[in-house]
Amino acid sequence: DVKVTQSSRYLVKRTGEKVFLECVQDMDHENMFWYRQDPGLGLRLIYFSYDVKMKEKGDIPEGYSVSREKKERFSLILESASTNQTSMYLCASSPRQGAVEQFFGPGTRLTVL
Amino acid sequence: GQQVMQIPQYQHVQEGEDFTTYCNSSTTLSNIQWYKQRPGGHPVFLIQLVKSGEVKKQKRLTFQFGEAKKNSSLHITATQTTDVGTYFCAGKVGGATNKLIFGTGTLLAVQP
Repeated sequence: DVKVTQSSRYLVKRTGEKVFLECVQDMDHENMFWYRQDPGLGLRLIYFSYDVKMKEKGDIPEGYSVSREKKERFSLILESASTNQTSMYLCASSPRQGAVEQFFGPGTRLTVL
Repeated sequence: GQQVMQIPQYQHVQEGEDFTTYCNSSTTLSNIQWYKQRPGGHPVFLIQLVKSGEVKKQKRLTFQFGEAKKNSSLHITATQTTDVGTYFCAGKVGGATNKLIFGTGTLLAVQP
């Protein structure tokens, strides 16, 4: 079974703090994704990576950056957290070729005070 | 930009009633996937449709992909309480990456 894990289920941070969200997958997938989920807006893509050290902006990259130094790990960084970044953050992975199903982690509920 | 809209946003049904959610894209899709997210859980893949006009069934669930590959639907016959959750469609717009555009989701509540 594919397993995607995220470093925290719940996180509370203060405005202006630098926040790191970590995601690790164990299936040697090339593609990894970060989404945020908000009521009524569905899942919106923040960034994705299709290989180590490769990244592309998604639909809402402002205020975020990412790092992929190893194939299995994809980090989302909030350089200076703001209250409008309070959300559920979901990480996903998929293989580059073949089945394009995305496998999701359990999510991190981030609250910025 | 590319958008995928879903309707309704929320549906409340009595157990045993049917349910349908509709998905519409502003652009032609190369394929469409459906995911289910149980309350408190994460999205889980249900199915992928690739061909124009394709229809697939999984027990009580019927998935359709429109002829123009810009819309899709999920129909559940005789809902059960285990069907509760949010259903998302997600379209792939082509290209080498497996980037998806997710719909806004439909939350299904089933009253026993």
